[in-house]
Amino acid sequence: NAGVTQTPKFQVLKTGQSMTLQCAQDMNHNSMYWYRQDPGMGLRLIYYSASEGTTDKGEVPNGYNVSRLNKREFSLRLESAAPSQTSVYFCASSEWGNMNTEAFFGQGTRLTVV
Amino acid sequence: TQLLEQSPQFLSIQEGENLTVYCNSSSVFSSLQWYRQEPGEGPVLLVTVVTGGEVKKLKRLTFQFGDARKDSSLHITAAQPGDTGLYLCAGYNTNAGKSTFGDGTTLTVKP
Repeated sequence: NAGVTQTPKFQVLKTGQSMTLQCAQDMNHNSMYWYRQDPGMGLRLIYYSASEGTTDKGEVPNGYNVSRLNKREFSLRLESAAPSQTSVYFCASSEWGNMNTEAFFGQGTRLTVV
Repeated sequence: TQLLEQSPQFLSIQEGENLTVYCNSSSVFSSLQWYRQEPGEGPVLLVTVVTGGEVKKLKRLTFQFGDARKDSSLHITAAQPGDTGLYLCAGYNTNAGKSTFGDGTTLTVKP
């Protein structure tokens, strides 16, 4: 019962480096999301994919790109990391984009940009 | 941007006490969810409320959705140390097609 799996769990980057955060779900969900969580600021939506083949910007998309590789996988890319992107990143999935359905979250990726 | 304000931001109580946390907005939501997050983990859904005035109970937890669907509360009776965590509310607006999370209430229940 893996649910939502994120890799890596921890990462330290130097300013200007790039990296891709991976996310996969095994629940056959249609919708997937990327959030960042900063102390005292709850969860902020970066990008989401309502269904396979579509992606849309959330509240804080600047500095990020996403790819919905297939129904299972939704990756988040930082092209040129900045210290302001130090955060905990969560991937989530739900059966549909309608939040009446339950969103399942991964365990998070703790990213530090120095 | 639809804002959800949660209060209090931090709450520290003794085991056995009751508590209420609040989630307020000036916007109307189609539905509202409450999540609980433990350190080092992702949030886990506790409940979804959809109808104005709706009350749902989950063991010692009681959730209420305001009549106007702009606010919600979570009441915990006889809190236990296992209730410790970050409680997040998330409101969904059908027109926007997205959810907005509040900043959360960090609850600590001391034995």
